[in-house]
Parts: sequence; structure tokens; C-alpha cells
Amino acid sequence: GAGVSQTPSNKVTEKGKYVELRCDPISGHTALYWYRQSLGQGPEFLIYFQGTGAADDSGLPNDRFFAVRPEGSVSTLKIQRTERGDSAVYLCASSPITTGELFFGEGSRLTVL
Amino acid sequence: GENVEQHPSTLSVQEGDSAVIKCTYSDSASNYFPWYKQELGKRPQLIIDIRSNVGEKKDQRIAVTLNKTAKHFSLHITETQPEDSAVYFCAASTAGGRRALTFGSGTRLQVQP
Repeated sequence: GAGVSQTPSNKVTEKGKYVELRCDPISGHTALYWYRQSLGQGPEFLIYFQGTGAADDSGLPNDRFFAVRPEGSVSTLKIQRTERGDSAVYLCASSPITTGELFFGEGSRLTVL
Repeated sequence: GENVEQHPSTLSVQEGDSAVIKCTYSDSASNYFPWYKQELGKRPQLIIDIRSNVGEKKDQRIAVTLNKTAKHFSLHITETQPEDSAVYFCAASTAGGRRALTFGSGTRLQVQP
């Protein structure tokens, strides 16, 4: 498809487990962002990639969160030792950078029991 | 870092009336201000944006105004329709949008038919 694709759409896990969330951006978009959205809140910035490198990871809440984009396209957000407070919708967005417009995926809903 | 405040949190209007949503930002270096619309269970989508070199921008029934001195910007929707019902988020960024967006907490707009 032509849009940003995120998998899985839903993930239920137990406290302490490891999860990976995948994002496939729009072809040709060099910028890729991860946001987290809790119920009733605006998206909260986590990390931004320009190409393969993390240009800004200041939004990652702690060292349990890590993200990679090894080939400058698909990105994976990795969460270690999940906690109940990590439950949220994780949104990925890509951008052609020249306009600044973010194209969001449908999100991955993470529930930590 | 940037802080964006948005109000009201909820807004109910009659079909055909106008709706106004207001945001303030803290970082005087911010120069890109987009507005995103998020329908229930859907991804956020850009509806209009404004850059700091202009004070107002219109697109059909939607307009955005920016007051850089006061550090606030507003979304105006005229002749509201039921399909305008959604959550609206304002956001701010530096570097013309080539940096991460900081989002407001959202306004739930309900247009009563």
C-alpha cells in the first residue's frame, strides 16, 4: 500500500516481557518518527530518524526503550521489561522532510497486563 | 523544551455554527504550526498548517491564525458539519517542521445536527 504500515495492530503482553513494534514508512520518506498516544492525550514524541541515524531520541522515557532503522526504511521500536504504564497506542509517522507534514500509520495498541 | 497548551478540551456546536480552538506555545524559536484531525479509532491527519512568516491561512471552511508576539495560534472552522466531529490537535515545531512536533492535548469537537 501507499501509506505507513504498522504491525502488529494490537499487542497484549505480560509485565516484564519484551516487545517489538514495526513500522514500514512511505517509500522515499527519509524522516521517520515514533510517537506514543495515551487515551485522551496528544501524541507524545519518542524518537526521530533522518535516514538510518537517530537525529533526536530525547523523547525516549528511559533505557528500556530503543529504536532502530538499519537500512533507512523500516523501523522497529523495542521495549524491554514492559511495565503497565507502557500501555498506549504507539504511532509511527514518516515525512518527506521538505514539507514537514507527518503521515501517520494506524498505530500499534500495546496493552501490558 | 517546547510546551503546547490547547483549549478547550471539549467543544460542542450546532451544525452550521463556527468553532474556534486555541493553542499557546512556549518556545519562541517555533516556526511551524500544523493542525491534525483524528477521527475515532483513526490515524491523525494534517488538515492545515501555518509557518511563522504569515499571520493567517485559509482553506475553504478552515482557517488558522498565528500571533507570534503572544505565542498563540488558533483554528477556525466555519459552517460546521457533522463530519467535522473529531479530536483536533495543534502542534508546534522549530526548523520549519524538520524537527519533532510537540502536540497539544487535543480538543474533542462534537457537531450536533
